[in-house]
Amino acid sequence: DQQVKQNSPSLSVQEGRISILNCDYTNSMFDYFLWYKKYPAEGPTFLISISSIKDKNEDGRFTVFLNKSAKHLSLHIVPSQPGDSAVYFCAASAAAGTASKLTFGTGTRLQVTL
Amino acid sequence: SAVISQKPSRDICQRGTSLTIQCQVDSQVTMMFWYRQQPGQSLTLIATANQGSEATYESGFVIDKFPISRPNLTFSTLTVSNMSPEDSSIYLCSVYGESGEYEQYFGPGTRLTVT
Repeated sequence: DQQVKQNSPSLSVQEGRISILNCDYTNSMFDYFLWYKKYPAEGPTFLISISSIKDKNEDGRFTVFLNKSAKHLSLHIVPSQPGDSAVYFCAASAAAGTASKLTFGTGTRLQVTL
Repeated sequence: SAVISQKPSRDICQRGTSLTIQCQVDSQVTMMFWYRQQPGQSLTLIATANQGSEATYESGFVIDKFPISRPNLTFSTLTVSNMSPEDSSIYLCSVYGESGEYEQYFGPGTRLTVT
């Protein structure tokens, strides 16, 4: 039962354009969402997060949008840079004090081309 | 965020043997998490390790197969016991960030190949 889904295994975007990575979830108990970036041979790096009480959170070139009614979130990267080429994972958490486990999607491989 | 190191970074092991993976954090943390990423799959939580208590295992993972130690607030080990090729994965430890929110920060991972 995949509670967090990233239906696009890969995405290719030209440098300078917008990258949009999508994520869907099924568990209505999830109330905190995170995006991670992973380079080969490294652990995932935290990028940006959003609480379910918000519909948008922005940090520099990265913006996450949350549509609770659709159980959908997206990560926008503007402008895309070659260094953004990596695998991006979305993750979700259900509020449980400090014992919240993260449920991850399967990842989307982003390639930013010159 | 905390700096997390793992040893070994990678290993190739024969089936039936065991491997212990170490995770070291540069600050004291209450909870440490162990994840597995099988080839082409997402990250899956194996267990949560609190200092001074037994680890809490997720469904599908058992202590006999993945014993965990947590001797102090900066260190933990995960052992993969009686390995089979299906245990070939990247194993990662993580900790919460200082913000107290739900962000977790990950070590570089241990790439295990079982032949």
